[in-house]
Amino acid sequence: QSALTQPASVSGSPGQSITISCTGTSCDVGGYNYVSWYQQHAGEAPKLMIYDVSTRPSGVSNRFSGSKSGNTASLTISGLQVEDEADYYCSSYTCSDTLSFGGGTKLTVL
Amino acid sequence: EVQLVESGGGLVQPGGSLRLSCAASRFIFNKYWMSWVRQAPGKGLEWVANIKQDGSEKYYVDSVKGRFTISRDNAKNSLYLQMNSLRAEDTAVYYCARNGRVYDYYFFDQWGQGNLVIVSS
Repeated sequence: QSALTQPASVSGSPGQSITISCTGTSCDVGGYNYVSWYQQHAGEAPKLMIYDVSTRPSGVSNRFSGSKSGNTASLTISGLQVEDEADYYCSSYTCSDTLSFGGGTKLTVL
Repeated sequence: EVQLVESGGGLVQPGGSLRLSCAASRFIFNKYWMSWVRQAPGKGLEWVANIKQDGSEKYYVDSVKGRFTISRDNAKNSLYLQMNSLRAEDTAVYYCARNGRVYDYYFFDQWGQGNLVIVSS
């Protein structure tokens, strides 16, 4: 049950767009359209931002979008805002009927 | 608004046991898969276990198999995690989480505030 691979950190300026990648294998990200993304501000519980690769729950800004190509999923945040600064985690269903998380990416809004 | 409130955490010695509870409210508890997710201090999220609506299916991360048991009491709208043979590496904040759809467990749409478990002598 290996963790998915995410960059440790990304940064951007207000108004810019950034993309966070999440790389797995054909046994998880590549094999199913069940990738989800979570935002976690310091000291808080995670919040669901994207599920089923690209579906946004109600109440989540349309500045957040998800996609997938092969074994790599991506979260794109457009029009960066200061409040977007947080840790972001991807997750995927796996061929072992388990769930796997990425190591997390710290987003800094400069 | 959905509420998930964890309790039962604390300090325990290596090899000891602890039972976490999660009280759910403001949604129909018995219609959802439920999960436990943990986060070691300064580290990332790790899915621990999940359980089907009627308790007939349970899945665990390899590192806790044989030591942890997930269960639920639908009459009490409660989720549990019995943790035995605890190790230092089990030290983490444990989150109770609702899985997002009634027919699968592929994402988490609601989270509790978390409960800290410290395994140390």
